[in-house]
Amino acid sequence: EAEVAQSPRYKITEKSQAVAFWCDPISGHATLYWYRQILGQGPELLVQFQDESVVDDSQLPKDRFSAERLKGVDSTLKIQPAELGDSAMYLCASSSGGTGGTYEQYFGPGTRLTVT
Amino acid sequence: GDSVTQMEGPVTLSEEAFLTINCTYTATGYPSLFWYVQYPGEGLQLLLKATKADDKGSNKGFEATYRKETTSFHLEKGSVQVSDSAVYFCAAHNAGNNRKLIWGLGTSLAVNP
Repeated sequence: EAEVAQSPRYKITEKSQAVAFWCDPISGHATLYWYRQILGQGPELLVQFQDESVVDDSQLPKDRFSAERLKGVDSTLKIQPAELGDSAMYLCASSSGGTGGTYEQYFGPGTRLTVT
Repeated sequence: GDSVTQMEGPVTLSEEAFLTINCTYTATGYPSLFWYVQYPGEGLQLLLKATKADDKGSNKGFEATYRKETTSFHLEKGSVQVSDSAVYFCAAHNAGNNRKLIWGLGTSLAVNP
């Protein structure tokens, strides 16, 4: 069964350092999402790509976060510099549009970031 | 704007008990509706979905019926197991939302043996 791949699974970094997360969506999925999930809360959309284009990055803290999906396949989310408040789970999801356009999203296992 | 409201947790049940987690939505038109499950330390998994009124989604013994009259999509399971302990999220997609899901806040379920 096709899955969304993410790496690393866990990352510990010191504040002010740079950190990067990688995501490989399910093959053929044109839409890719990055979410941040703070412990005990629901997922918060950071950025949404349609192929290589950003569709929505309204909740992305652009002073320190950046995201790219250069060839419309895999994607990288970067934080520079990391702050203590960035400690969270970072989730990647992809969607093909679903059967009849239902747009269900399929999630990777996430990257647990701890900033010290 | 569109919104999804879930019952607050945590919900604590004994094994083999009946489970209901309430979910209601506010949206223009008729969104597609989803339940996702998140086990500790893992990503979200699609549990079931329904795309139109009166549709019933089902998977792994869980069921939810799309009720247009009450704008609800309550999750049910007749006999829960310890392995069902997780956080459950209700979500909705509306055609005007540009492929974004509207998420509920999640309901934590703990099943005791």
